[in-house]
Amino acid sequence: KAGVTQTPRYLIKTRGQQVTLSCSPISGHRSVSWYQQTPGQGLQFLFEYFSETQRNKGNFPGRFSGRQFSNSRSEMNVSTLELGDSALYLCASGIIGTAAFFGQGTRLTVV
Amino acid sequence: AQTVTQSQPEMSVQEAETVTLSCTYDTSESDYYLFWYKQPPSRQMILVIRQEAYKQQNATENRFSVNFQKAAKSFSLKISDSQLGDAAMYFCACTGRNNNDMRFGAGTRLTVKP
Repeated sequence: KAGVTQTPRYLIKTRGQQVTLSCSPISGHRSVSWYQQTPGQGLQFLFEYFSETQRNKGNFPGRFSGRQFSNSRSEMNVSTLELGDSALYLCASGIIGTAAFFGQGTRLTVV
Repeated sequence: AQTVTQSQPEMSVQEAETVTLSCTYDTSESDYYLFWYKQPPSRQMILVIRQEAYKQQNATENRFSVNFQKAAKSFSLKISDSQLGDAAMYFCACTGRNNNDMRFGAGTRLTVKP
């Protein structure tokens, strides 16, 4: 069974631009969660989607948004990028009530 | 929501010895799950062990075991017969039973000395 796939793996963007990251969950997993990891703030929960609906949202500004498609693939979008958005963005998929399985992450650098 | 605290930023263990990593948590959920994840330099988050809060028996996975103290809201990880490949950041996490919005501790960096 293929694992969680995140694309792209690396990304460099300029301040003010927007970016879209993609996550393909493990087959059969309908829950997809997104996390931001930075040296200063650690691992922070962004949002969780289940069956195309956002069920939970972390404490991030509205510039961070996401969506989930009918095939459970998910995208997250960050608009008006700031230098502080530079981070490793991790996606995880799971079946409710089990562990979340993580992708390898997308390393976003904002210059 | 949940909060998770790992009070040991760094730990060190001799190869083949045993080490225990500490974690405390707080949650408003009546039922929840607790996890330990390992993150090596590759940054891939790897599930080490999982505990269902309604189960009293401590989870065990080969050399990894937990000491789950529900009343004290404590969830420590014991690594026996430590190996060089165990060196990594270890994160404790908690999520409610019916969702996957995990909250993580700050992590413990484990060094294994040969």
